[in-house]
Amino acid sequence: NAGVTQTPKFQVLKTGQSMTLQCAQDMNHNSMYWYRQDPGMGLRLIYYSASEGTTDKGEVPNGYNVSRLNKREFSLRLESAAPSQTSVYFCASSQGAGANVLTFGAGSRLTVL
Amino acid sequence: GQQVMQIPQYQHVQEGEDFTTYCNSSTTLSNIQWYKQRPGGHPVFLIQLVKSGEVKKQKRLTFQFGEAKKNSSLHITATQTTDVGTYFCAGRGGYQKVTFGIGTKLQVIP
Repeated sequence: NAGVTQTPKFQVLKTGQSMTLQCAQDMNHNSMYWYRQDPGMGLRLIYYSASEGTTDKGEVPNGYNVSRLNKREFSLRLESAAPSQTSVYFCASSQGAGANVLTFGAGSRLTVL
Repeated sequence: GQQVMQIPQYQHVQEGEDFTTYCNSSTTLSNIQWYKQRPGGHPVFLIQLVKSGEVKKQKRLTFQFGEAKKNSSLHITATQTTDVGTYFCAGRGGYQKVTFGIGTKLQVIP
């Protein structure tokens, strides 16, 4: 099983450009998440989707939008990229919204110039 | 809001020495999870602790959850070079509210 697949793995953008990070899971999980990882900041939750059809803001949602396209897919969009959004982005999924283990994708490294 | 503090941020040890990382939450947790991230990799689940005072072991790794369910620790006995990576705790408070610590980056010197 592939688990959680993220694309692209690397991306360089110019300030003001837009892009979408794609995430798909094949574990029939109900909940999906987007995190960003910055040095000294740990993993911070951007948005999550407890179940298909719902999305909610996390700790750092400003500058991002998400779409839960179906049960498998959860995308993260940067409408107008800023240098502060340079980071490593991880998608994760879990069986449910409760005390469930997170399975992470391999990450997407985004640089905004 | 819920905060999870993790110390130390960095730790260098000689191979064979022990290592401990600590997590402290500002609020009572329903459970705490530990993840390991190898250099250049992604976080991988290690264990979950749910009960007050719980202790779990995985080979050389010992995980503890405090009696008040506000702190936790991960102890590695006799570190090996394969233990290199960043260890994160993730505390779950209210429904869906999971907060990660900043992680402890472990370097093992052969």
